[in-house]
Amino acid sequence: DIQMTQSPSSLSASVGDRVTITCRTSHTILTYLNWYQHKPGKAPMLLISAASSLQSGVPSRFSGSGYGTDFTLTISNLQPEDFATYYCQQSYSVPYTFGPGAKLEIK
Amino acid sequence: QVQLVQSGPEVKKPGASVKVSCKASGYTFTSHGVSWVRQAPGQGLEWVGWISGSTGYTNAAQKLQGRVTLTANTSTRTAYMELRSLRSDDTAVYFCARGGQWLPYDAFDVWGQGTMVSVSS
Repeated sequence: DIQMTQSPSSLSASVGDRVTITCRTSHTILTYLNWYQHKPGKAPMLLISAASSLQSGVPSRFSGSGYGTDFTLTISNLQPEDFATYYCQQSYSVPYTFGPGAKLEIK
Repeated sequence: QVQLVQSGPEVKKPGASVKVSCKASGYTFTSHGVSWVRQAPGQGLEWVGWISGSTGYTNAAQKLQGRVTLTANTSTRTAYMELRSLRSDDTAVYFCARGGQWLPYDAFDVWGQGTMVSVSS
């Protein structure tokens, strides 16, 4: 199975800040990396697929990059609704695996 | 609109079985697969398995193989996840999510609202 790590596991930021979350995989996954936003009591929401492809309806302040084993999710100009937990997920091979999550909190 | 609607919460005893449904609407069911993902209390997301909406092919996480059965009824556009021999560590919210018609290389772009399955004696 492909192992996933994320850093930081939690972070505090203010509205208007720019934050970056890193995801690393134990094996190369080319660009088969997806990012999800998850709020308590809600279903996860797909933000970015294939490492950098922004989903329709997702604000352009979200961006993703990376290749191989190292990936980043960047959120610019943080908005109040962005405070949530963010998960990366590899879709290169089954079983699909998720990172442990990065919880973004308001400072 | 495109949506997945899941069945309601379940409370089960250890050793019992549970079957969760996921009804799709707003898209061609047979053009996509459905994955199941669970989240135990205070934990992260865990992929349970996938079923093709067209062929019925399935692929399940090895740790659950032998206990989980994924099925789909194309006439009712409904996917099902049955989990048997329930244990306390199966307590989780179970989500269904729309994915690709084939594995791998897909992403989960539409999610059900989640079904809480509680296992307790």
